[in-house]
Amino acid sequence: NAGVTQTPKFQVLKTGQSMTLQCAQDMNHNSMYWYRQDPGMGLRLIYYSASEGTTDKGEVPNGYNVSRLNKREFSLRLESAAPSQTSVYFCASSRRTVNEKLFFGSGTQLSVL
Amino acid sequence: GNSVTQMEGPVTLSEEAFLTINCTYTATGYPSLFWYVQYPGEGLQLLLKATKADDKGSNKGFEATYRKETTSFHLEKGSVQVSDSAVYFCALSSGTASKLTFGTGTRLQVTL
Repeated sequence: NAGVTQTPKFQVLKTGQSMTLQCAQDMNHNSMYWYRQDPGMGLRLIYYSASEGTTDKGEVPNGYNVSRLNKREFSLRLESAAPSQTSVYFCASSRRTVNEKLFFGSGTQLSVL
Repeated sequence: GNSVTQMEGPVTLSEEAFLTINCTYTATGYPSLFWYVQYPGEGLQLLLKATKADDKGSNKGFEATYRKETTSFHLEKGSVQVSDSAVYFCALSSGTASKLTFGTGTRLQVTL
């Protein structure tokens, strides 16, 4: 089973460029999440989607947008990248929303110059 | 708001040594508590969890007990192996959504 698949694995952007991080899960999970991981700060939630058709802000949503395209796919868009968005991004999914195990993708390492 | 505090690393141990990684939390209500592990170049994986006070989560020789009186969920293993080298994250979940609040992570390095 593929689980949670993220693309791309690595990306370098210039300040002001835009890009979309793709995420897909094949476990029929209802909930999906985007986190960023920064040294010394653990993982912080950017946006999440409790179910198909809904999205909500997490702890650090500024500068990002998301789309829950269907039950399988949840994308994260940077409209105008900034150096502060240099980070490792993780997509995750869970069967439902309460106290469920999260399954993580392998991450996207993004550098904004 | 919710928060998780973990001991700073890195923690360096010899193989077969005893491991403790401290984790304390602040949360409203009755959170569920988790330990996730991240091996180099990979995403996080659930290691163990506990959903109510005095529960003990265990997996792969690791254990953690939900202590409500001390708001703690310390991770322990009796005899670590080189393959346990990874970053360990304590996390909590409360409320109506599986929004996890993570600690900053503790890097464990096990040497021969």
